[in-house]
Amino acid sequence: DTAVSQTPKYLVTQMGNDKSIKCEQNLGHDTMYWYKQDSKKFLKIMFSYNNKELIINETVPNRFSPKSPDKAHLNLHINSLELGDSAVYFCASSQGDIYGYTFGSGTRLTVV
Amino acid sequence: DQQVKQNSPSLSVQEGRISILNCDYTNSMFDYFLWYKKYPAEGPTFLISISSIKDKNEDGRFTVFLNKSAKHLSLHIVPSQPGDSAVYFCAAREDNDMRFGAGTRLTVKP
Repeated sequence: DTAVSQTPKYLVTQMGNDKSIKCEQNLGHDTMYWYKQDSKKFLKIMFSYNNKELIINETVPNRFSPKSPDKAHLNLHINSLELGDSAVYFCASSQGDIYGYTFGSGTRLTVV
Repeated sequence: DQQVKQNSPSLSVQEGRISILNCDYTNSMFDYFLWYKKYPAEGPTFLISISSIKDKNEDGRFTVFLNKSAKHLSLHIVPSQPGDSAVYFCAAREDNDMRFGAGTRLTVKP
């Protein structure tokens, strides 16, 4: 079983549309994250949720909204998509310090 | 403001030799450092980590060295194998905030 799964893997959509990316983890981790990999390959944190509470929110446009129905899921909703939103988005989860984060395989979003 | 930097975008080594991947950081509040390995079309996978109270951590062929005074860490892979070819990300953590470098693409030639 995949530990952190993201769907869809690829998403092509037009500007102005609203879309969602789903993430689920079966590791029992307490914290989940969304990262955006930019064109320079940097991984930048967007959100994290710990026990349903938002604990990090970088300067992300409010068109992006995380939704966590339970601690195993953290979905990313994006409204009014823009060309600059095109990127690879990674979901991750963590529990404790020693083993770091477990990442999903990424969702490549292309806005046309 | 990139707090974690990997200045070498790529590295090529011969199979059996040592691979050394470097990482520099600017935030002295980072207390934990990690290396991730990423294959194409997959998410990064955890490789090895080190606490800021240590200067070395070893796991099989992988060793991470931390020089706090220089704010520098490195990952050594000995001996390098073709299957090690991937992108390696350095990451540093402060509380629940983790910062990643841009990655270094390692190519191990047979």
